[in-house]
Amino acid sequence: GQNIDQPTEMTATEGAIVQINCTYQTSGFNGLFWYQQHAGEAPTFLSYNVLDGLEEKGRFSSFLSRSKGYSYLLLKELQMKDSASYLCAALDSNYQLIWGAGTKLIIKP
Amino acid sequence: ETGVTQTPRHLVMGMTNKKSLKCEQHLGHNAMYWYKQSAKKPLELMFVYNFKEQTENNSVPSRFSPECPNSSHLFLHLHTLQPEDSALYLCASSQDPGLASNEQYFGPGTRLTVT
Repeated sequence: GQNIDQPTEMTATEGAIVQINCTYQTSGFNGLFWYQQHAGEAPTFLSYNVLDGLEEKGRFSSFLSRSKGYSYLLLKELQMKDSASYLCAALDSNYQLIWGAGTKLIIKP
Repeated sequence: ETGVTQTPRHLVMGMTNKKSLKCEQHLGHNAMYWYKQSAKKPLELMFVYNFKEQTENNSVPSRFSPECPNSSHLFLHLHTLQPEDSALYLCASSQDPGLASNEQYFGPGTRLTVT
């Protein structure tokens, strides 16, 4: 079956760095997405990786290892507004997104 | 502002009621989606429309009935729902579901409570 695993909840301190991991098992693979969802709001796109390696976008970076079926989202210089759920989703061979349950990130001052 | 709007934002309905959820996208996209989001569960894809044609129906019960009159509007008609159908219903749109880098743009969702 197809499956995405990510931690349910993480806590970090303002100004620190946090890494949110995601492992996936899919029928074929066409890339991995990260979305951010603040409570009561729409998910918003953060990143898309299809090749191995690290992609950096400001304070946020996303890493992919296709051979390990593994990705992580790295958030630097954490701000209170980064408190949100982070959703990992893998695109399978039918171009269907397989979603994880999301990681709720709590930022403490 | 994501360019995808949904109404109503909140809905409480009894199990015998009939109601409809509405989604509109202002992005010129060709594909639209309905998702169900329950607490601590992955997003569940319900329906996909591409150029107004339904391309996915993920074994959704018939008490949920989608309608896509044009590529900018998507409805979800609800009737005789069950309490377990209470969830956040998200609409999304994208340019082309056949593209690998197919970023989806989400609406804010309708919080549905079935009593």
